[in-house]
Amino acid sequence: AQSVAQPEDQVNVAEGNPLTVKCTYSVSGNPYLFWYVQYPNRGLQFLLKYITGDNLVKGSYGFEAEFNKSQTSFHLKKPSALVSDSALYFCAVRDVRGSTLGRLYFGRGTQLTVWP
Amino acid sequence: NAGVTQTPKFRVLKTGQSMTLLCAQDMNHEYMYWYRQDPGMGLRLIHYSVGEGTTAKGEVPDGYNVSRLKKQNFLLGLESAAPSQTSVYFCASSETGLKYNEQFFGPGTRLTVL
Repeated sequence: AQSVAQPEDQVNVAEGNPLTVKCTYSVSGNPYLFWYVQYPNRGLQFLLKYITGDNLVKGSYGFEAEFNKSQTSFHLKKPSALVSDSALYFCAVRDVRGSTLGRLYFGRGTQLTVWP
Repeated sequence: NAGVTQTPKFRVLKTGQSMTLLCAQDMNHEYMYWYRQDPGMGLRLIHYSVGEGTTAKGEVPDGYNVSRLKKQNFLLGLESAAPSQTSVYFCASSETGLKYNEQFFGPGTRLTVL
């Protein structure tokens, strides 16, 4: 079965410091991985995706994610956090099998708080 | 280009009442999805559609029905609302179900069932 795990419910960092939001996955076949961000009272916004190719994927707002096949991880990173990055972050894996084609399986989310 | 829109934004129902949530997208996407979001549980798929006139069950379909009569619209119905259906509901769409297509989300509907 396809699944993702976000082991941390909350991550707190100081503005200007690097941030990492962790995600591990379990899939049958090749993984197709996504990160989304949700600001308060808003829908989810797409940040970046890994389909194939380079293990370091760059996305919106200065975020990037590192795909590690041996560790089955897809951690979200940013070199220098901003207070405005404070939000709820979701990792997701795409189901590319048969009848369930296209479905996304989401992690439980990680609340990122960046303090000034 | 409004993307994905949802109506209404908020609703309070009494147990046993019915309602329909409307999702509309103007991107000509084939696939559409309904999710519910509950604290600490991420997003769970209720129903989805791979094209006009088609629907399929997701992870948590019980108590909900859907229809996709027009390509741009995806309706979610609650025939007899229960307190357990108190949640935030998100609609999403994607161009296809292919691996590289991300999903685009609406702003959500906050539903409270008393």
